[in-house]
Amino acid sequence: AQSVTQPDIHITVSEGASLELRCNYSYGATPYLFWYVQSPGQGLQLLLKYFSGDTLVQGIKGFEAEFKRSQSSFNLRKPSVHWSDAAEYFCAVGGQTGANNLFFGTGTRLTVIP
Amino acid sequence: EAGVAQSPRYKIIEKRQSVAFWCNPISGHATLYWYQQILGQGPKLLIQFQNNGVVDDSQLPKDRFSAERLKGVDSTLKIQPAKLEDSAVYLCASRPDFNEQFFGPGTRLTVL
Repeated sequence: AQSVTQPDIHITVSEGASLELRCNYSYGATPYLFWYVQSPGQGLQLLLKYFSGDTLVQGIKGFEAEFKRSQSSFNLRKPSVHWSDAAEYFCAVGGQTGANNLFFGTGTRLTVIP
Repeated sequence: EAGVAQSPRYKIIEKRQSVAFWCNPISGHATLYWYQQILGQGPKLLIQFQNNGVVDDSQLPKDRFSAERLKGVDSTLKIQPAKLEDSAVYLCASRPDFNEQFFGPGTRLTVL
């Protein structure tokens, strides 16, 4: 069965510190993987995606993520967090064929302190 | 390029009332999705359309929820009658072929 686990419900980091948000997935076929960010009252904005090829993908706003098939993980990283990065982050997995529905994790809320 | 549009942005109703949400996808996007996002959870798919046909509605509570996509463009999602547990953000997304989904701002529904 398809599922996404984001083990950290809430993370607090200082501005300028590095960030890593964890994501583990379960999917029966080759996955498409996504990270979305949601600010309060806003829809979901795509940060980055992995379909194939280089397992380290670069996204917007200085974010990157690494696909590790052996660990079924797709962790999101940023070397230096900005106050504007405070938001909810969702990892999602989808399929390469058929309906391509997305299965979302429960999200990680990021708080940035000055 | 205009994004996915949704209206209304906020709606407050009493239980047992009916409510409808509207979505206008990005022009040319054949696939349209409705998700329900309950507070503290990730979005959960309710229904997926390919043009004006339903691809997946297995998670749609069909006794009270209905959705249509006339002419393969705009879509409406209806709840009748609403229950307290329907309080959530309803997200619409659209997708061109073999690409990521683009989300609208959502409609926040509060059922009292």
